[in-house]
Amino acid sequence: QVQLVQSGAEVKKPGASVKVSCEASGYTFTSYVMHWVRQAPGQRLEWMGWINAGNGNTKYSQRFQGRVTITWDTSASTAYMELSSLRSEDTAVYFCARGHTSTWSPWGQGTLVTVSS
Amino acid sequence: QSALTQPPSASGSPGESVTISCTGTSSDVGGYNYVSWYQQHPGKAPKLMIYEVSKRPSGVPNRFSGSKSGNTASLTVSGLQAEDEADYYCNSYAGSDGVWVFGGGTKLTVL
Repeated sequence: QVQLVQSGAEVKKPGASVKVSCEASGYTFTSYVMHWVRQAPGQRLEWMGWINAGNGNTKYSQRFQGRVTITWDTSASTAYMELSSLRSEDTAVYFCARGHTSTWSPWGQGTLVTVSS
Repeated sequence: QSALTQPPSASGSPGESVTISCTGTSSDVGGYNYVSWYQQHPGKAPKLMIYEVSKRPSGVPNRFSGSKSGNTASLTVSGLQAEDEADYYCNSYAGSDGVWVFGGGTKLTVL
């Protein structure tokens, strides 16, 4: 079945970077886009960006431009999201989601990133 | 890109219908038929319920329906059931070569 499995929880200090992985299975990885979405505790979903797994093109939300980098490894069917210059407000659950136009499904299980000194 | 506007809460009794609105602008909701709705239970990943304004993925009950008029999209849940209690988020394409935006979320309570 189509599945996205994300890497485990992370604890980082302010100013550090974090890299979250999202391994896909059950479909042709390069035929879809992979979106990254975050959700701070008790807050709304927030779109961060996407990567076209077929050609590596990316698009980022202006809110995260300059701090987020989305990459991929087609041989491992895995997408990565790296967020730099972390601050306490970046404490959130980060999700990946397979995308095709407005059909974002499935989603990964989420990765909790905690930023604390 | 500003978040789409949703009511913070909605409620209904079992068997009733409830409609959740999602208001954007002509640059997002009103400009494209790429509006989707996601259901999220506490501590879980979101689940796609409606895509392209009104289409239901296989496996989603036909009690869930979507529509759009102008800059406002709507999700209607008919025949409310206890398991429908969750947070619901709308999402829309916003142009600019691939920008997307979510709504603020609506907490649906089944009384």
